[in-house]
Parts: sequence; structure tokens; C-alpha cells
Amino acid sequence: GAGVSQSPSNKVTEKGKDVELRCDPISGHTALYWYRQSLGQGLEFLIYFQGNSAPDKSGLPSDRFSAERTGGSVSTLTIQRTQQEDSAVYLCASSRGEPNSPLHFGNGTRLTVT
Amino acid sequence: AQKVTQAQTEISVVEKEDVTLDCVYETRDTTYYLFWYKQPPSGELVFLIRRNSFDEQNEISGRYSWNFQKSTSSFNFTITASQVVDSAVYFCALNGGSNYKLTFGKGTLLTVNP
Repeated sequence: GAGVSQSPSNKVTEKGKDVELRCDPISGHTALYWYRQSLGQGLEFLIYFQGNSAPDKSGLPSDRFSAERTGGSVSTLTIQRTQQEDSAVYLCASSRGEPNSPLHFGNGTRLTVT
Repeated sequence: AQKVTQAQTEISVVEKEDVTLDCVYETRDTTYYLFWYKQPPSGELVFLIRRNSFDEQNEISGRYSWNFQKSTSSFNFTITASQVVDSAVYFCALNGGSNYKLTFGKGTLLTVNP
């Protein structure tokens, strides 16, 4: 079956521009996560959506970052006024929603801010 | 707060050697879940194993085995008779039962040389 799909796979943008990253989770998965992976830094939690509950935004690094999940499915991560330190791979994952459910990851979006 | 420590940043072995990847965790939750993920050079994170805090039985799956010890808060991963295809970054992760945020270690880069 289809896995987690992320687009674009690569994005190069100029400093100061806004970017939108998209994630299509696995059908039927109620939980959706965004993580950021910087070189040598492991995976940094950004935000978590579970069903219709209010999202856990505790990992968003600044107010330039926001995310939405429409209709309990597709999610968009928006970064406004991008900075060079935003350059990283942004990973989306989905799961069935229980704490012991493994996360299924997409291939990520590699963001480069020039 | 949750924390996962993978003290080994990089490990290099020769094919057919056994290798153990260390993982130490911290959590205040009495119920929690531990995971290992593999990230090959292609980039997609792949789920390997899940273990809950009430099950300290070690597990073996082919050449892979996991040693969970609550007394030392460790969840180590051993690859027996390593192969070049095992070359990847391996992440240990923790999910406390009271929240759904999966906390990752910084990963261990394993290189298996022919």
C-alpha cells in the first residue's frame, strides 16, 4: 500500500521567502508528526496532530513555523521568512495513534535556504 | 522529561563482525515504549522493533537482537555477522506512555566495510 508521501522532495529558497511543505499520511492513520533532521543533530520533534485534538506545537522553534492538518489527513508545514538555519530535512510521519504504534516516515523534504 | 542517549556517534566494522549499538534512556513514566529505527543512505527511516516497559524479554530476529534492561535503562541493539547492507544510521527512540511525542537519540552511524 501507499506510504507517507512528502512533497517537494527538494526545495531551494532564498532567505526571507516563505515555503510550504506537504505531507500525505497513510490512509487511516490518525496521528501525524513533523520532525526536523539537521546534519549531525538527530531528529528534532516539531509538531504532533492526533485526530481532532489540539496539536502539540511544543517543538516549533519559532513563530515563523506553523502547521495545519486539514480534514484529518493532509498536513502542510509553513516556514515564513526563511533563515539559513532553517536548512534541514523535514520529515513527516504518521501512525495509528496509540503510544506503542510505530511511526511510518516519508522520504522527507530537503530544504536549502540560500 | 524524556531523553535518549546514543553515546556512539560512529562505528566502523569489517563484514561478518558482530556489533552492538548502545542506547540509554531517561523517563519518569512507568509505562513507556522503546523503538529502534534504521536510516539507510537512501534516507527513509525504517521501523525495526518496539518494546514496552513491561516486557524485558530479549528478542532475536534473524541477525538482529535486542537487550532491554530496565535496571540500567538500556535498550541495546546487536547485529550478528554484519553485512555491508547494514550500513546505516540507527536511531533509538522513546515514547512515554503519558504523551505521544517520540524522542529520538542522535543516532549511530554504522559503516560495515567489505
